[in-house]
Amino acid sequence: GENVEQHPSTLSVQEGDSAVIKCTYSDSASNYFPWYKQELGKRPQLIIDIRSNVGEKKDQRIAVTLNKTAKHFSLHITETQPEDSAVYFCAAGAGGGADGLTFGKGTHLIIQP
Amino acid sequence: DSGVTQTPKHLITATGQRVTLRCSPRSGDLSVYWYQQSLDQGLQFLIQYYNGEERAKGNILERFSAQQFPDLHSELNLSSLELGDSALYFCASSFQGQQFFGPGTRLTVL
Repeated sequence: GENVEQHPSTLSVQEGDSAVIKCTYSDSASNYFPWYKQELGKRPQLIIDIRSNVGEKKDQRIAVTLNKTAKHFSLHITETQPEDSAVYFCAAGAGGGADGLTFGKGTHLIIQP
Repeated sequence: DSGVTQTPKHLITATGQRVTLRCSPRSGDLSVYWYQQSLDQGLQFLIQYYNGEERAKGNILERFSAQQFPDLHSELNLSSLELGDSALYFCASSFQGQQFFGPGTRLTVL
């Protein structure tokens, strides 16, 4: 089955700086890669996703890149703000997102004022 | 608010008992997914239903079962509960391949 590795487990950055979270996946059948943000005690919220026919996608301060050859995808957050503090999860799935997702272990992002 | 609802919010029960968790997907979504989130295992996919039929199984234990009803709501049944089953249980429904999570049910097994 699919295996998703996520690094780092904790990331502390100064407010206004950029943050990068990296994930690798193992199953070449995976073709859908969402990122979720989860605040303490809340539901995971979809923040951005990318499909395997695209190399990069951007939404305001958030971008995701995908390298299918290396089976590697990353989340980039620019101009970080205190409200960006949360746990971020990457995930991979087949069927264009119709199948169950395999999640990474999460990255606790801390924005230092 | 994702539009996915789950009840109850919290559930406290004893080992050996059986509980039922309920999920209502967003209006129009045909797929329902169940996930378990625990500190040691992270977020794990359990099972998926599509329009009343089981579509895919993940790491679901034999003591757990689920179903999806004609009105598309779904129930996750957990039986012979063990301490290790204590976790947050989320359901999600999907639209155009994007999965939206409900608020979760926190299960505590004492």
